[in-house]
Amino acid sequence: RKEVEQDPGPFNVPEGATVAFNCTYSNSASQSFFWYRQDCRKEPKLLMSVYSSGNEDGRFTAQLNRASQYISLLIRDSKLSDSATYLCVVNLLTGGGNKLTFGTGTQLKVEL
Amino acid sequence: NAGVTQTPKFQVLKTGQSMTLQCAQDMNHNSMYWYRQDPGMGLRLIYYSASEGTTDKGEVPNGYNVSRLNKREFSLRLESAAPSQTSVYFCASKLSGQPQHFGDGTRLSIL
Repeated sequence: RKEVEQDPGPFNVPEGATVAFNCTYSNSASQSFFWYRQDCRKEPKLLMSVYSSGNEDGRFTAQLNRASQYISLLIRDSKLSDSATYLCVVNLLTGGGNKLTFGTGTQLKVEL
Repeated sequence: NAGVTQTPKFQVLKTGQSMTLQCAQDMNHNSMYWYRQDPGMGLRLIYYSASEGTTDKGEVPNGYNVSRLNKREFSLRLESAAPSQTSVYFCASKLSGQPQHFGDGTRLSIL
């Protein structure tokens, strides 16, 4: 089993739709979680951290379910500019420091 | 507000040539990382440096070496480039417990 797994997509949705991505992780000791956004041929950029109680940033909502070991990202009222690949990142604190593991990403295409 | 700066942005090498990719950050971050990104593989960690003076292997270190020159700079060296090392390379830095900040990448092709 991969340490971090994501559905690669693509998710093709019309503008204005609500779309949700899930990400599962294998190590129950993982401590912190993030969603990154990556545009084609660009660097990953932090979208939002994921907190245990869930958190919202505008149209974006992130949730963490430690019991089932998954995190989710919900995007409401999708915009064309939301088209990108969304990377799930899991942080595990080890003796050697922070170990960040990236999912392979979920591709989102928002269409007119 | 430079953040993480990588040079060069593009490079083409012949098999067997050597090359050093440079990375510098001006955010006073302790940890620095080198990743490669290939289609369908996601980001894979090559080497990292948890703090100045230390370096450790990541998931795919073979064929690479690194130097943490000082707190700001972390370089990645290919001693004898191979076509399998054709990839996009990202440098990142962070503070403990915080998310990573990435440079805008180096696109490396090895013929």
